[in-house]
Amino acid sequence: DTGVSQNPRHKITKRGQNVTFRCDPISEHNRLYWYRQTLGQGPEFLTYFQNEAQLEKSRLLSDRFSAERPKGSFSTLEIQRTEQGDSAMYLCASSLWSSGSSYEQYFGPGTRLTVT
Amino acid sequence: DQQVKQNSPSLSVQEGRISILNCDYTNSMFDYFLWYKKYPAEGPTFLISISSIKDKNEDGRFTVFLNKSAKHLSLHIVPSQPGDSAVYFCAASFDPANSGNTPLVFGKGTRLSVIA
Repeated sequence: DTGVSQNPRHKITKRGQNVTFRCDPISEHNRLYWYRQTLGQGPEFLTYFQNEAQLEKSRLLSDRFSAERPKGSFSTLEIQRTEQGDSAMYLCASSLWSSGSSYEQYFGPGTRLTVT
Repeated sequence: DQQVKQNSPSLSVQEGRISILNCDYTNSMFDYFLWYKKYPAEGPTFLISISSIKDKNEDGRFTVFLNKSAKHLSLHIVPSQPGDSAVYFCAASFDPANSGNTPLVFGKGTRLSVIA
């Protein structure tokens, strides 16, 4: 297994367009997280799944954002009616959670979104 | 408000010397701390972690120290190597219900430059 993968790596879109990103986690991992990172900041939590269930959403995740994880495998993050403020690196992470396990999350390379 | 703070945006160290990266936190509920390293155009890579029940954890050249009373942790890299040049993020989580249901809270990062 080669780790968490994300596609596309780069996306340039015009304001008002919709975009969708995909994340493929490490195959046996049951938890999947989305974060957003802007210049000079650390990653900020957006939302998280355990298997196919979306368990938590940050207040950063406006109504224009939606995430899914059908069948508990890959996940998609869609942004509708993009705004220039959505320009950021979108990071996906996965982890294997079971009782007594640790909290490490393993990140993908990210998708860099530029909204013009 | 920033719950995890890395007050030094950058640090330069000579090859072979010790690098010390610092992190402060404000939320006393945090009970697990992690350090990630990030190269340009890549996602963060997990380095080392520490539970709040410990005050030190060591893994090869990397040691993390935790001072709960001061709400402070540090990452020591000895000896520093040019390949260690990257941005280092401190992250924290808390999980009172032991459900693992907690996103990571990141600092803004410290850019380490190891000079040959």
